[in-house]
Amino acid sequence: RKEVEQDPGPFNVPEGATVAFNCTYSNSASQSFFWYRQDCRKEPKLLMSVYSSGNEDGRFTAQLNRASQYISLLIRDSKLSDSATYLCVVSTNTGNQFYFGTGTSLTVIP
Amino acid sequence: DAGVIQSPRHEVTEMGQEVTLRCKPISGHDYLFWYRQTMMRGLELLIYFNNNVPIDDSGMPEDRFSAKMPNASFSTLKIQPSEPRDSAVYFCASGLARTGPNEKLFFGSGTQLSVL
Repeated sequence: RKEVEQDPGPFNVPEGATVAFNCTYSNSASQSFFWYRQDCRKEPKLLMSVYSSGNEDGRFTAQLNRASQYISLLIRDSKLSDSATYLCVVSTNTGNQFYFGTGTSLTVIP
Repeated sequence: DAGVIQSPRHEVTEMGQEVTLRCKPISGHDYLFWYRQTMMRGLELLIYFNNNVPIDDSGMPEDRFSAKMPNASFSTLKIQPSEPRDSAVYFCASGLARTGPNEKLFFGSGTQLSVL
């Protein structure tokens, strides 16, 4: 079983729409959670960390559900510039290993 | 800071040849990671180092792959002999020894490897 699983999409949404991605992880001992963004032919970059109580950064909201072992990312008022692949990342404190999901592709359509 | 620097950006080689990928982490970072990315498998962790010491190489596909970190500012990933199925983008990333939400990985621009 993979450490981190995501729906690959693609998600094609119109500008202004709200879109949500989910991700599940298998290791209940996982301690840290993140969403990374990867543009086509570029390196992944940190979008936001995911805190236990949930957190918001502008149009982006991240949630963590430890009981069900899933993480979500909500994007409100989608912009064309949000088009990218969103990677769910989970880290265990034992060894500082970062496990990446395969990513969810988002295309925002004019 | 210039960020994580990888070279070369692109590498095209023939099957059976030796390939060496290079990485310079961000100064002061004590963790260095090598990832491989393909469409089918996404980002796979190959190996990571802490303070120049390899900690976990269980992701290295086979003996053809080897990685070294002779000092805090340089690491190499070598494939010998290379095979077409090694074609992928290879990313190097570095980070600090923190835990919790303040952890962050900084990626290099990657090396696009094509083995013909």
